[in-house]
Amino acid sequence: DARVTQTPRHKVTEMGQEVTMRCQPILGHNTVFWYRQTMMQGLELLAYFRNRAPLDDSGMPKDRFSAEMPDATLATLKIQPSEPRDSAVYFCASGLSGDEQFFGPGTRLTVL
Amino acid sequence: LAKTTQPISMDSYEGQEVNITCSHNNIATNDYITWYQQFPSQGPRFIIQGYKTKVTNEVASLFIPADRKSSTLSLPRVSLSDTAVYYCLVGDMGAGTYKYIFGTGTRLKVLA
Repeated sequence: DARVTQTPRHKVTEMGQEVTMRCQPILGHNTVFWYRQTMMQGLELLAYFRNRAPLDDSGMPKDRFSAEMPDATLATLKIQPSEPRDSAVYFCASGLSGDEQFFGPGTRLTVL
Repeated sequence: LAKTTQPISMDSYEGQEVNITCSHNNIATNDYITWYQQFPSQGPRFIIQGYKTKVTNEVASLFIPADRKSSTLSLPRVSLSDTAVYYCLVGDMGAGTYKYIFGTGTRLKVLA
């Protein structure tokens, strides 16, 4: 049963620290998405890649967030420096072009 | 970008049919309509997708009128385990860039 995996599942850090979240998309999927979910804002699309190329990152604060796909099996989302307002659940999802997205279990980030 | 509007919450009883309507007045020609289900502490999960008329799968039906400005997710004979948040998405499924916008979702509570 192919699944999207995300690490870590939980992360508690202090303001100013760097945070790196990792995602392993489902093998063969060519599109990878990063979302952030909070009670106030709901699910927000931060960025997405197709065939490892970034297609849209307009939802991401550019000054502190960065997303990359070093290879087809790994996507990363980094926050540097982190701030308390970044506390949220971060989801990675993968899919084939515009078809259904398969979501990972999420990384729950708490920035103190 | 197509924006969606859904009721914030709904209650139902076990065994009843539940219909959740989503409004998307400015849907574009190439946009598809997709519904996701999310349980607490999990990522959203694909339910059904359609472009026009009616689509049915093993868990739900999707009704889309001719003008495509709204859509209705129909869940037959709900059970307690269907208690979740349901999201309607509208987006271009083509090869070009697109942006999925998850609305606030509809919180469905199924009562015994």
